[in-house]
Amino acid sequence: KAGVTQTPRYLIKTRGQQVTLSCSPISGHRSVSWYQQTPGQGLQFLFEYFSETQRNKGNFPGRFSGRQFSNSRSEMNVSTLELGDSALYLCASSLAGGAGNTIYFGEGSWLTVV
Amino acid sequence: GESVGLHLPTLSVQEGDNSIINCAYSNSASDYFIWYKQESGKGPQFIIDIRSNMDKRQGQRVTVLLNKTVKHLSLQIAATQPGDSAVYFCAENDFTGGGNKLTFGTGTQLKVEL
Repeated sequence: KAGVTQTPRYLIKTRGQQVTLSCSPISGHRSVSWYQQTPGQGLQFLFEYFSETQRNKGNFPGRFSGRQFSNSRSEMNVSTLELGDSALYLCASSLAGGAGNTIYFGEGSWLTVV
Repeated sequence: GESVGLHLPTLSVQEGDNSIINCAYSNSASDYFIWYKQESGKGPQFIIDIRSNMDKRQGQRVTVLLNKTVKHLSLQIAATQPGDSAVYFCAENDFTGGGNKLTFGTGTQLKVEL
């Protein structure tokens, strides 16, 4: 069974540009969430989607957005990139919400903003 | 302001010894706790979880202990092996809005010495 797949794995963008990251959850999983990992702030929750609806949102500016498609695949977008957006962006999936629904992470997308 | 990297506590153990990694959590409403292992360049890997109605759970070579009175979580690894070297994160999920929203600890770097 394939794990959580994220693309692209590595990318370099220029300040002011925008970026779209993609995530394919484990087959059958309907909850997809996104996290940002940086040396300075650690792992921080961005948002979570379930059945194409955003259920939770973290404390990030509106430049960070996401969506989920009917096949549960998800994308996140960051507009007007800033140097501080350089980070590892992690996608995670689970069957649903609730205790006992193990949350599995992908390998992440490394974003460097120059 | 200047971004300062998080100072990761480091635990160094001899191969074959037992390791104990500790974590304090903050949200009394959290219902579900998870330990993840993250190797360099990879996404977090699920190790073991525990619900708030339990105080101990065992897996293969790992045990998680939960003390809700003092909001403390620990991960015990028996017979630590070189492959256990990684950063270990605890995470709590309060299922805000019915969904998944993990809050992560800062992490502990485990180094296994041969």
